[in-house]
Amino acid sequence: GQQVMQIPQYQHVQEGEDFTTYCNSSTTLSNIQWYKQRPGGHPVFLIQLVKSGEVKKQKRLTFQFGEAKKNSSLHITATQTTDVGTYFCAGNIRDYKLSFGAGTTVTVRA
Amino acid sequence: DGGITQSPKYLFRKEGQNVTLSCEQNLNHDAMYWYRQDPGQGLRLIYYSQIVNDFQKGDIAEGYSVSREKKESFPLTVTSAQKNPTAFYLCASSGRSGEKLFFGSGTQLSVL
Repeated sequence: GQQVMQIPQYQHVQEGEDFTTYCNSSTTLSNIQWYKQRPGGHPVFLIQLVKSGEVKKQKRLTFQFGEAKKNSSLHITATQTTDVGTYFCAGNIRDYKLSFGAGTTVTVRA
Repeated sequence: DGGITQSPKYLFRKEGQNVTLSCEQNLNHDAMYWYRQDPGQGLRLIYYSQIVNDFQKGDIAEGYSVSREKKESFPLTVTSAQKNPTAFYLCASSGRSGEKLFFGSGTQLSVL
């Protein structure tokens, strides 16, 4: 079964508002990666977090890795129409394969 | 232009037929992967290969087979034993196992 859980499954956001998507694992992760898949496209790597408590920013996107390395979050501020898509977290439980969350599909109301 | 190429973009399978999805990369990556994507279920790992001439089953390998005879190529065969093959199939590669993935543009497989 799925070892990395991601919520919410869907996020409908008013343009300009903020939102957060969360990932949780039952086991400690060596690292966590985030990907974005635009409608009709393929997943594209966004970032990797490795250290306990790590926080990284990419413009309006803020990524956090929990202290216990079992959870992570992606926070987007001032949502734009270009943020539309599905965001996946992927936990590295063992080095050779990632366990993907089910994804959060984001739609934006202009 | 370095990248990972999947073909065909769309594929139709008749009942009882085996079909093969192509995946080629020119990134000089050691590791390659096949994922299946169904709506609302994220990406599930079918097979992966850490090095040429070696591959391992992922979480949903039943009804699928792979080969890794060349570093650049990792074709996936969907056999007639796979009773629910309709899905979007994504091939990916990484420099080494566990590193960030580069995905191909995917193959949508449907059953006639």
